[in-house]
Amino acid sequence: DAGVTQSPTHLIKTRGQQVTLRCSPKSGHDTVSWYQQALGQGPQFIFQYYEEEERQRGNFPDRFSGHQFPNYSSELNVNALLLGDSALYLCASSLGRALNQPQHFGDGTRLSIL
Amino acid sequence: GENVEQHPSTLSVQEGDSAVIKCTYSDSASNYFPWYKQELGKRPQLIIDIRSNVGEKKDQRIAVTLNKTAKHFSLHITETQPEDSAVYFCAAIVLTGGSYIPTFGRGTSLIVHP
Repeated sequence: DAGVTQSPTHLIKTRGQQVTLRCSPKSGHDTVSWYQQALGQGPQFIFQYYEEEERQRGNFPDRFSGHQFPNYSSELNVNALLLGDSALYLCASSLGRALNQPQHFGDGTRLSIL
Repeated sequence: GENVEQHPSTLSVQEGDSAVIKCTYSDSASNYFPWYKQELGKRPQLIIDIRSNVGEKKDQRIAVTLNKTAKHFSLHITETQPEDSAVYFCAAIVLTGGSYIPTFGRGTSLIVHP
């Protein structure tokens, strides 16, 4: 039973570039949420995807966008990268769009902006 | 103030002692309160959760209590072991910017000394 998988594990970009991160949910899950975790902080909710649509969004600018595919996998895109975007990006999957359901996290993608 | 506050930020105990971490939340409509354990360089893992219709939940050495009136919930770990050393995060679904979103505390670094 595969858990949540994310790729790549590490990524280095420069300011102004664009990045795409990928996530495959746990088998049987249909909802994907994305989080940003800065060093020494708790995860911050970016957005949630269910039935291929963004359902809820946290306090992140439009530079952060996403997509969900028919197989429930998801992508997070960040445009015009800033130094402050350096963080661990976590994907979490769950069953159903309700936010009060247990979430299973992936290992994350460590994004460094130079 | 923050929507979810977590204390203490660091907790150091001797093996065998109990550890208690407390979180307060701002939104009385919040109804789901998970706790996550994150070991260094690893993914957050759900260790226990509680819903607003119960006051306490136990799972072996771990328990969570909820006081809806006071809007706080606590994680209790008994008979601590060195492998319990990690960062623990509480979370709640709170109203932020017009949307209910998962909101995490800043984390508690638990150190269990053998």
